[in-house]
Amino acid sequence: EVLLVESGGALVEPGGSLRLSCATSGFSFSSYAMNWVRQAPGKGLEWVSVISSKSVVTFYGDSVKGRFSVSRDDSRSTLYLQMNSLRAEDTATYYCAKDARGGGGDMDYWGRGILVTVSS
Amino acid sequence: EIVLTQSPGTLSLSPGERATLSCRASQSVNINLAWYQQKPGQTPRLLISDASVRATGIPDRFRGSGSGTDFTLTITRLEPDDFAVYYCQHYGTPPRTFGQGTKVEVK
Repeated sequence: EVLLVESGGALVEPGGSLRLSCATSGFSFSSYAMNWVRQAPGKGLEWVSVISSKSVVTFYGDSVKGRFSVSRDDSRSTLYLQMNSLRAEDTATYYCAKDARGGGGDMDYWGRGILVTVSS
Repeated sequence: EIVLTQSPGTLSLSPGERATLSCRASQSVNINLAWYQQKPGQTPRLLISDASVRATGIPDRFRGSGSGTDFTLTITRLEPDDFAVYYCQHYGTPPRTFGQGTKVEVK
């Protein structure tokens, strides 16, 4: 069974930092690109970032570029999102999601999400 | 960044009716487009990949079509379980983006 479990969510003040983790199991983690997607309360989905297999390339959404950094530890089958210079508009549930296949970009498995709240 | 515009914002239909959802891209994404379903309190569920390929376990009443900049998700006969929000997402030239969603609600 494929499982993705996010952790690290918290209440943080504007300007602060936070690191999210996504522990995975049930598939060959190193073989797949992995994504972060977020959803502000009552809003739609916003794609945040992707990291390719073997960490060859990373991409970011315009709203987080320069502030967020994605990484992975294939030995631990874990995905990370380092979030710096946090803003109120970063408040959201953050999901990690697995690419469905190599060379694709559709996402077939998602974690249940973790809430990040940015507020003073 | 490629912008995806979904229409309509809300679709009010009855069970058994046909739902037609549109997703338009600001530039060509070829067929690099997926559709997801999200119900309240749940994670998104992949329905369609490559514009028209149903994901594993997705009923054949869900049909995707289109290429380039214009895409359609059709639900041929709505069942009670289909009332939800639907999102399109491209995976062409990065960054990947989602449309703003179409809510299919009970009329």
